[in-house]
Amino acid sequence: DAMVIQNPRYQVTQFGKPVTLSCSQTLNHNVMYWYQQKSSQAPKLLFHYYDKDFNNEADTPDNFQSRRPNTSFCFLDIRSPGLGDAAMYLCATSRFGGEAFFGQGTRLTVV
Amino acid sequence: GEDVEQSLFLSVREGDSSVINCTYTDSSSTYLYWYKQEPGAGLQLLTYIFSNMDMKQDQRLTVLLNKKDKHLSLRIADTQTGDSAIYFCAERSNTGKLIFGQGTTLQVKP
Repeated sequence: DAMVIQNPRYQVTQFGKPVTLSCSQTLNHNVMYWYQQKSSQAPKLLFHYYDKDFNNEADTPDNFQSRRPNTSFCFLDIRSPGLGDAAMYLCATSRFGGEAFFGQGTRLTVV
Repeated sequence: GEDVEQSLFLSVREGDSSVINCTYTDSSSTYLYWYKQEPGAGLQLLTYIFSNMDMKQDQRLTVLLNKKDKHLSLRIADTQTGDSAIYFCAERSNTGKLIFGQGTTLQVKP
């Protein structure tokens, strides 16, 4: 059974049109992460939540926002997607200090 | 700073052993991980090793850690075509973040 679920698997959005990606987990982990992965590159951490505490990476563009309304759900909002934001977006969860479990990812295409 | 490096490509024949290497810079890392990524999919945790261990074996997988040289390797015995994927090494930094290498593409030829 899937433990970290990302929806949708594929998302096409228009240049500049806000888009939201979602992630849910059944593991009851207190940490949730969003990574951006471009082709042939390492996943790059955008931000993470430790419980409700939001931790933004210094180089994450302001265009990217996140919400975590409860333990199970986390959202990635891209306010004005540009062509350079096309990528695979990976959600992961962990207990604090534990191994991270990843969802299948959402591939975002910007047209 | 925190940095993880891997060679980008490895090609082996089916049935041979594969060894994927990784170096990292953060000497305070507590855990080191190996993830597998198949095309179009998320990352699957394969195995991990705690920093006070030298070796960990799990079925066909053997992880070796040389903490002095900050070198980690993953050996896959009897490599199969289904092992073809990208393998990522990752360290957990002392800030709690997972830092990934660029990934090693493993090609298994029949």
